[in-house]
Amino acid sequence: NAGVMQNPRHLVRRRGQEARLRCSPMKGHSHVYWYRQLPEEGLKFMVYLQKENIIDESGMPKERFSAEFPKEGPSILRIQQVVRGDSAAYFCASSPGRGSGEAFFGQGTRLTVV
Amino acid sequence: GQNIDQPTEMTATEGAIVQINCTYQTSGFNGLFWYQQHAGEAPTFLSYNVLDGLEEKGRFSSFLSRSKGYSYLLLKELQMKDSASYLCAVRDEWDMRFGAGTRLTVKP
Repeated sequence: NAGVMQNPRHLVRRRGQEARLRCSPMKGHSHVYWYRQLPEEGLKFMVYLQKENIIDESGMPKERFSAEFPKEGPSILRIQQVVRGDSAAYFCASSPGRGSGEAFFGQGTRLTVV
Repeated sequence: GQNIDQPTEMTATEGAIVQINCTYQTSGFNGLFWYQQHAGEAPTFLSYNVLDGLEEKGRFSSFLSRSKGYSYLLLKELQMKDSASYLCAVRDEWDMRFGAGTRLTVKP
């Protein structure tokens, strides 16, 4: 859905660098989900946030990955010291509130680690 | 936790009707979603069911039975452009989880 904005659309990083992926939810939406999708595979849940609060991060790898959704500005998914296996499409979706309303996706960020 | 199952692949003929099933187990329930995803693109929202019954939207309909943990997506008058993956997602109290998706191929 055009209302959820993700940037950049494509990101290339060398092994060991940091990747920062941004997601601005639809207007009026205060909750954000992040998912990872490998080629030919389904969407894997990573983290669910509301502003200034992580609700569920059970899908996040224990190391190198972090997410935030500050009071002002977009939600950020941060991957430190990227490795080849981090290459994937990362999608965010937003919804109006916790456990309610339809959720819409952004166009995704395609991360390539070289 | 959640467990969501749907067939991996389906094939149907242009102009026909196809039903994609989804079964789920969840500790809480706050809605079931269907999305369409074409290769290399973002998932697109199709339908949202939170109460039992059938929701119809043009050529697409979605059904939910909460007591059975079961939903289906019905696609009528299939078109070639309907070839895509169809994702079933369930939201419990906390978050939204997806099944692996059903890859639908529509043949002439």
